[in-house]
This record gives sequence, C-alpha cells and structure tokens, in this order.
Amino acid sequence: KNEVEQSPQNLTAQEGEFITINCSYSVGISALHWLQQHPGGGIVSLFMLSSGKKKHGRLIATINIQEKHSSLHITASHPRDSAVYICAVEGATNKLIFGTGTLLAVQP
Amino acid sequence: NAGVTQTPKFQVLKTGQSMTLQCAQDMNHEYMSWYRQDPGMGLRLIHYSVGAGITDQGEVPNGYNVSRSTTEDFPLRLLSAAPSQTSVYFCASSSGAGGYTFGSGTRLTVV
Repeated sequence: KNEVEQSPQNLTAQEGEFITINCSYSVGISALHWLQQHPGGGIVSLFMLSSGKKKHGRLIATINIQEKHSSLHITASHPRDSAVYICAVEGATNKLIFGTGTLLAVQP
Repeated sequence: NAGVTQTPKFQVLKTGQSMTLQCAQDMNHEYMSWYRQDPGMGLRLIHYSVGAGITDQGEVPNGYNVSRSTTEDFPLRLLSAAPSQTSVYFCASSSGAGGYTFGSGTRLTVV
C-alpha cells in the first residue's frame, strides 16, 4: 500500500465547477505539500500545510492531521487549471513522499 | 530570476555513457534533492543533501552519484547510463519553512 494515496486519479470537469482532490497518508508528517504540473512542464508548489486551511486565489487547501487527510479545492474552475495535481508529505528529515497525482481536465 | 536552474532540458545518451545533470539554486537553501518521474509512478527521491558537504541516498540511488561542494550546486552524475534510467529528472531545493522550489526538469532518454 502506498504511503500517500490520491483520489481520484483522473477527473474531468466543466468550466466553472467546484473541484475537490483528496489525499490520504499513512505516515507521520511535519508538512504536506500540494504541487501542480502542467503537461510536459515543470512542477510548481501551490501550498505547504501543517495544519488548518490555506487559500490562494481560487485554490483552497485543507488538512486534518488526526484523520491524516488533506483536500485541494478549486473554485470556479477554468481550462487553464488543467494539470496534474500532486500531493506530497514531508517527514522530519525533509524528505518528500509523493502521491501518483490527479490528472485534471477542465473543459470549456 | 531567483530559483532552481537545471540543465540540460533534454538529453539522449547511449547505454554505458556517463553524464552530469546540473542543478543550481540562488536562494541559499540548505536542502537540495534529486527526483525521477516515471509514468504511472509518483516522483521518487534519488539523492538529497542537507547542506554543503553532506549527501545521502534516497529511495532509488543505484546508478547515480551526487556531491555538494557548495550550497548553490548539487550535480547528479550518471555513471554508466542504462535504458532503465530513461526518465524525467527534477532537482528541488527547500529552506524548510518555505516549501520547495523545483527546477524545470531534464528529459533523459537512454538508447
């Protein structure tokens, strides 16, 4: 069983829809990261969370440490949000363990 | 521009050849790391460094060497390339509290 599990693996949405991507982990962590990767592109850090909730523009990330679960929400989705979203957890030694990613396609 | 500079962007090697992937950051980050990304799998840690002169192995270190002579640079060496090393490679740096910054990636093909 992977230490970091993301769901869904693939997601297709219509422009304007509210999107949720989930991440569950089974190890102790010091922080959780949400990353974005456009097709053929580099990796961009969206959020780093150790508790609670963070918001940046139309993106919201939450984490529940007790339940070992995090969610990434996209409000008013747009085709430019189409990308792979990757959850990664960071342990005490700064090492990251990655989920396999969620491929999001937002159709106009 | 501040960030992580990774070169080259693309490379084709023949089996048995050696090469070095370069990674440099100008943010004075202590932590630097190398990952490989393969289809259907999450990124996997190859080697990492917590500061100049200190390196350690990650999840998939075989066939790769690293060194960290300065805070800025963290090159990854492929000693004798194999087709199994065909992948996309990412370098990243972190200050710890501020999250990670990734390089733009190197797409390596070993034929």
